[in-house]
This record gives sequence, C-alpha cells and structure tokens, in this order.
Amino acid sequence: DAGVTQSPTHLIKTRGQQVTLRCSPKSGHDTVSWYQQALGQGPQFIFQYYEEEERQRGNFPDRFSGHQFPNYSSELNVNALLLGDSALYLCASSLQGNNSPLHFGNGTRLTVT
Amino acid sequence: AQSVSQHNHHVILSEAASLELGCNYSYGGTVNLFWYVQYPGQHLQLLLKYFSGDPLVKGIKGFEAEFIKSKFSFNLRKPSVQWSDTAEYFCAVNFHSNYQLIWGAGTKLIIKP
Repeated sequence: DAGVTQSPTHLIKTRGQQVTLRCSPKSGHDTVSWYQQALGQGPQFIFQYYEEEERQRGNFPDRFSGHQFPNYSSELNVNALLLGDSALYLCASSLQGNNSPLHFGNGTRLTVT
Repeated sequence: AQSVSQHNHHVILSEAASLELGCNYSYGGTVNLFWYVQYPGQHLQLLLKYFSGDPLVKGIKGFEAEFIKSKFSFNLRKPSVQWSDTAEYFCAVNFHSNYQLIWGAGTKLIIKP
C-alpha cells in the first residue's frame, strides 16, 4: 500500500533556522494538506495544495510556505523558526473536493531549541 | 470563529462497556463531519464520515455516530468496547465551501482488559 510518506521523521533545529519537510501523497491522490499538531491538541490547518498551487491557507504567518510538484509531492518550509513552532507536522493527501477523506502520514516531529 | 469541542480529554472504560464520545461544533450552516482515530504508534485514520442523508452513520470496527443538527453534535458510539479500541479519537468538521478541517482536541480512550 503506497500510503502517505513523510520525511524526516524527527528533526531538531535552532531558533532562527529554516526547515523543509517533505511529503509524498498516497498513490492516486492529487491534493496535499499540511497540519500542525501541538502536544495535547488537535491538528491545525496550515494550507492545502492542488494543481501545484496553494488553494487555501489557515491562520499561519508567511514564515510558513509550501510547494507542490508535478508528481503531487509537496514540501513545507518554515523560516525564522521560533520555539513555538515545535510540533508534529502532518501531511495528508486526498482527492480534490472538500469532502474527500484525508489520508495521513506518520508526521515529522520538529523540535526547536 | 468556527470551532469543534470534544467534551472529554481522557476516558477509561472496562472491556464490554458502552462508549459515547461527545463532539460539538459552532457553525450553523452545511457541514461535513468526520471521526478519525489514532492507534498507538500509528497514523491518523478515518473511522467514519457524514456528508448528508441518514444522520446515523456506521463506520469501521463497530463504531457509529449520530448527527443531530439541532444540537450541532456528532457523537461517536460503540455498544461494547474492546481492549484494541485503546486509541485517541478526533472529531473534525469541514464547513461549507471550505477545504480545511477544524479539529477537536481529541479524546484519549483507554480500555482496561
């Protein structure tokens, strides 16, 4: 089963640095969403990519940016890291449409020191 | 702001007990409703969903949920839980014409054997 794969699984960065997280969607899916999950909370929507464009964005600053490639894979970039960016970053893939269920990867655990 | 609340953060039950997890949302318009589950060490996966039609929906592993529009609720139920149901359960809502999911904080369910 070619599910959603994310890399790396864990990452430790220093305040002010930049980070890139990667995601390969489930085979056949064309839409990628990124979520941030802080400890003890539910996931928070960062943005969604479809047809290589950001289709919708949540309430996150411009330090958070992304990209989708022609093969539907995606990257999440975070600049000028803050301690508060420490979280689990989840990638979810789906088919286009706002009621298509999400398929999640295992996430990337980012720690900012 | 649109929000989703889950009433219990931690629930402990014995095997064969009945389960009901509460979920309420704050939006009065058209919604799509989801319950996701995260078993220990695994990724989030869809348990069940409601888009329209019969307000009582059945999901995997004997779970069901009832959409009560007048109460803005989508509670999850299972008549008899098993030890293998130990997991974290998340309610999520997709509001009309919106691609993002709004998530509750999750309920950690522990089933005592």
